[in-house]
Amino acid sequence: GAGVSQTPSNKVTEKGKYVELRCDPISGHTALYWYRQSLGQGPEFLIYFQGTGAADDSGLPNDRFFAVRPEGSVSTLKIQRTERGDSAVYLCASSYGGLDTQYFGPGTRLTVL
Amino acid sequence: ELKVEQNPLFLSMQEGKNYTIYCNYSTTSDRLYWYRQDPGKSLESLFVLLSNGAVKQEGRLMASLDTKARLSTLHITAAGHDLSATYFCAVDTYQGAQKLVFGQGTRLTINP
Repeated sequence: GAGVSQTPSNKVTEKGKYVELRCDPISGHTALYWYRQSLGQGPEFLIYFQGTGAADDSGLPNDRFFAVRPEGSVSTLKIQRTERGDSAVYLCASSYGGLDTQYFGPGTRLTVL
Repeated sequence: ELKVEQNPLFLSMQEGKNYTIYCNYSTTSDRLYWYRQDPGKSLESLFVLLSNGAVKQEGRLMASLDTKARLSTLHITAAGHDLSATYFCAVDTYQGAQKLVFGQGTRLTINP
């Protein structure tokens, strides 16, 4: 079956611009996660959705970052006033929730010039 | 704050030999995950270890968990090019959400 998909695969933007990153989870998965992976590091948790609501957004680095999941399926991570330090691979994962294994998408590589 | 540390961070393997990656974590957790990441690719789930003493094997990889020592090991038998990748362990904080905290990753390469 189809896995987690993310678009775009690559995004290059200029400092100060606004970007949106999209995640389409595995059908039927109620839990959705966003992580950020910097070069040579493990992924770092950003935010978790159970259904439509953000159950835990404690990993968002500051108020320039925001994510939504209005219908409980597709999610969008939004970054305002991008900074060079935001450059990373943004990974999305989904699961049935609870203790279920998280399945990761291919990621969006964001480069802020 | 939960910290997860892997060692070694880099491992240059000789074909056919056996190796072990160690994953230590700082606070109590009964759930540990191993993922594999190929260059430029996303993470592939390898093992989920859910209790003390859990051992799982898939092909030439075997993972174990000792929750009392807060230690997991990933044992590689007969290393080969197909196992060249970066391996991450992750621990589940599960404070109302399954937030995974990842180690830094161990990059495995085959020595030509």
